[in-house]
Order: sequence, then structure tokens, then C-alpha cells
Amino acid sequence: DAGVIQSPRHEVTEMGQEVTLRCKPISGHDYLFWYRQTMMRGLELLIYFNNNVPIDDSGMPEDRFSAKMPNASFSTLKIQPSEPRDSAVYFCASSHRTGKNTGELFFGEGSRLTVL
Amino acid sequence: AQSVAQPEDQVNVAEGNPLTVKCTYSVSGNPYLFWYVQYPNRGLQFLLKYITGDNLVKGSYGFEAEFNKSQTSFHLKKPSALVSDSALYFCAVRDSANTGNQFYFGTGTSLTVIP
Repeated sequence: DAGVIQSPRHEVTEMGQEVTLRCKPISGHDYLFWYRQTMMRGLELLIYFNNNVPIDDSGMPEDRFSAKMPNASFSTLKIQPSEPRDSAVYFCASSHRTGKNTGELFFGEGSRLTVL
Repeated sequence: AQSVAQPEDQVNVAEGNPLTVKCTYSVSGNPYLFWYVQYPNRGLQFLLKYITGDNLVKGSYGFEAEFNKSQTSFHLKKPSALVSDSALYFCAVRDSANTGNQFYFGTGTSLTVIP
């Protein structure tokens, strides 16, 4: 399996622009997570989906952030409008939950966002 | 409330010496515990996990971790450190009493192995 695939790997944009980050989870995984990593706040969970349905979006910082999962093989995280404080590395991760709830997370390589 | 603590931001160890990266946790139910490693400009990679059974868990790259229920700890260990082990290490916990699938991560420990 190719693992979790994220795009773009790097994005540089100007304040006010729309940013869309993309993720393809591992085939067969029924959970998808979006995390943000910064030096100041470490690794933060933004939102996670189960079977394409958002389960917990309490970590989404503001209404400027939105996430969708239209099907089992694709998810997007959108920031509109972007601000310099959104600069971070955004990770997508997926997992498969067994009957014992033991599924570990598999992370993508991340999307490094810089907002000027 | 569920939480994970990694008390050391930085650990330095000489190559060939044993290493320990500490982790303590707090959950309501039984813990599912994980260790991840992150190399520069890369995503987090799964190292090992404890779900149930033997308290000593062996994982990738010669790492192991010991679950200690009385001390609520899950320290990561390796008998002989390599320079290539230098990376950022994250401990994570899931609460078996939680019907969701929320993982709680520590703040990470930067390990430097000195040649």
C-alpha cells in the first residue's frame, strides 16, 4: 500500500488567499484525522471522520477552517481566508478500527503551509 | 480527562548507551498506548503499541516499552542507542472507555544520540 498521501507537500500563499489541502487515506481505513503541528502548540487534532462522517470537529480553530470527506478515499481541509498564524504543518492520518478499538494511526508526510 | 505527559523536552544519550524516553498517562478506562517517531520533515511513524497482555512490548528498530499500571507509565527504551535514532518521539493514548476514537498525544521528546 502507498500509505496516506497528502498534497501539496509545500504551500506558500499570501494572507487572504484560499488554501486547500488534500488527503488520500489508506484503502480500507474507516477513520481519517486532520492534525496541525506547530512549535508553539505541538500536535493538535483539528477534526476526525468515521466512514466519511465528521465525528468531532471541536479542534477546528475558527469558521475559516472547513473539512470535507466526500468519499472513503479523499478528504480536504480548506482555509478561507488564510492568515499568517495558520502557518504550520498539517497532517492527515488514517486508521482502521477493529472490534477491540486498537487501530493505530498511519500518518501522511504532511503539508507545510506558509502564509505570508 | 485523558492526557499524556512527556516530562522531558530533550534527551541526550551517547551512542551505544541505553536510552529511555518517559511517558505517563491519565485515562478513565483501560489505556491503549502508542509510541511514534518523527524524523525531520517527515510524518509520524508508528513504533509500537500496548493494548493488553505482556507489559513489555517490542516494536520497530529495536525499541521496546514497558507498561506500568501502578505508575501509569509507558516508557520507551532501547538497549543500545544509534545516531540514527535521533528524532522526535511522541507518546499517545486512547481510552478504552471512550466510545470515540480520540488519540491524545504528548508534547514530544527530542532525542539526540551523540556519536
